[in-house]
Amino acid sequence: DTAVSQTPKYLVTQMGNDKSIKCEQNLGHDTMYWYKQDSKKFLKIMFSYNNKELIINETVPNRFSPKSPDKAHLNLHINSLELGDSAVYFCASSQESSGLAFLEQFFGPGTRLTVL
Amino acid sequence: ILNVEQSPQSLHVQEGDSTNFTCSFPSSNFYALHWYRWETAKSPEALFVMTLNGDEKKKGRISATLNTKEGYSYLYIKGSQPEDSATYLCAFSGGGADGLTFGKGTHLIIQP
Repeated sequence: DTAVSQTPKYLVTQMGNDKSIKCEQNLGHDTMYWYKQDSKKFLKIMFSYNNKELIINETVPNRFSPKSPDKAHLNLHINSLELGDSAVYFCASSQESSGLAFLEQFFGPGTRLTVL
Repeated sequence: ILNVEQSPQSLHVQEGDSTNFTCSFPSSNFYALHWYRWETAKSPEALFVMTLNGDEKKKGRISATLNTKEGYSYLYIKGSQPEDSATYLCAFSGGGADGLTFGKGTHLIIQP
C-alpha cells in the first residue's frame, strides 16, 4: 500500500481552468502539507494543515486553496490556472500532534501540472 | 525569509570513495534539521531528523552531524556506491506547523 498517494500523476490543462489535485495518506498522520517544486527544482512549502490549524505561505496566491474532507486527505484546488502554475506539486504528511516538526515527513509521488 | 544553503550544488565521486556535503541554516529559532534523499522520478525519502546540538545519526554508510550554534550540518557517505546517486536535501524547521524550508540540494553522482 502506498503511504502517501496523489492523483493524478500528470495533469495538462488550459489557462483559466479550475483543477484539483487529490492527496491521501494511510499513515494515520495528523498533519499534511503541499509543496511546489519550481523550475529550478526547489521545493517550497505552500500549506500545512492539521485538524486544528491551516498555515498558508504568504507567497501563495489565493487562487490556491487546500481542502481537507477528513484527516487522511488534503486536496489542492487551483482556480483560474496561469502558465506560471506549471510545476510539480508534492503532498506530504507527518505525525505532528504537538505541532513541532521533529518528525520526518512522508512524500507523495508528485503531480506534474502543465498549463497551456 | 529563511535561508537554507547547501554546498556543493553537485558532486561527482568515484565509486568506493567517501564524500561529504554541507547544509547551513539559521541558528536562531531552531527546532529540527532534516535530511532527505531524492532519487530521480521518485519522492524524497527521509534519512535523518536531528534536533539537538551535537547530534550524530547514522544509517548504514550514511551519517550526519549537527551544529545548531553555528548553523550547519554535514552529511557523510562512506564508500560511495552507484545506488547512492541522488539529490540530498536538507530542510530546516523553526517549529510550529508551518512545514519545512528546504535547501536546493546537493546532486551526487557516483561514477563506477
